[in-house]
Amino acid sequence: EDKVVQSPLSLVVHEGDTVTLNCSYEVTNFRSLLWYKQEKKAPTFLFMLTSSGIEKKSGRLSSILDKKELSSILNITATQTGDSAIYLCAVRQNSGTYKYIFGTGTRLKVLA
Amino acid sequence: EAGVAQSPRYKIIEKRQSVAFWCNPISGHATLYWYQQILGQGPKLLIQFQNNGVVDDSQLPKDRFSAERLKGVDSTLKIQPAKLEDSAVYLCASSFNRGYNEQFFGPGTRLTVL
Repeated sequence: EDKVVQSPLSLVVHEGDTVTLNCSYEVTNFRSLLWYKQEKKAPTFLFMLTSSGIEKKSGRLSSILDKKELSSILNITATQTGDSAIYLCAVRQNSGTYKYIFGTGTRLKVLA
Repeated sequence: EAGVAQSPRYKIIEKRQSVAFWCNPISGHATLYWYQQILGQGPKLLIQFQNNGVVDDSQLPKDRFSAERLKGVDSTLKIQPAKLEDSAVYLCASSFNRGYNEQFFGPGTRLTVL
């Protein structure tokens, strides 16, 4: 069965800390891995990764994919209270319906 | 560009009642998704449409859930009759086409079944 597993499930840090969120997957016909930030309800897109070893960066956020280890990490440096959210990892399949399979998410809380 | 619209935003019903959710995707987007997100879990795909055709409904509980996208634009998802375990946020998302990686989510509908 295809699955995406995220760890940790939740995390509490203080402003200025650096955090690393993990995503591992067992999915047939891998196409891409996506990270989303979910505040309140609607997930918003952060990164899409398709090639192993190439880091994507956006400000204080960065992510990298390791296709050999079937995993990805999302790093957030100098965390701010506005980074408090659920971070979702999704893997997209490369066949048939091109379905997205989501992990359970990591709930991050940043304290002032 | 207007985003994905959903209504209602919140709904409280009693078990065995019926409920319907509406979604209007971004203009021009051919692919529409309905997800169910139970508290503490990631979104689970219920049904995927390509224009007005169903591409994947393998995880849709067809004994009580139904969805349609008759004109290939907006869509409705119905639950009849609702069970307690249907309490969740129902998210609608759309993408330009199913080969495109980026999907855009609507604000969701939070359903509480009492």
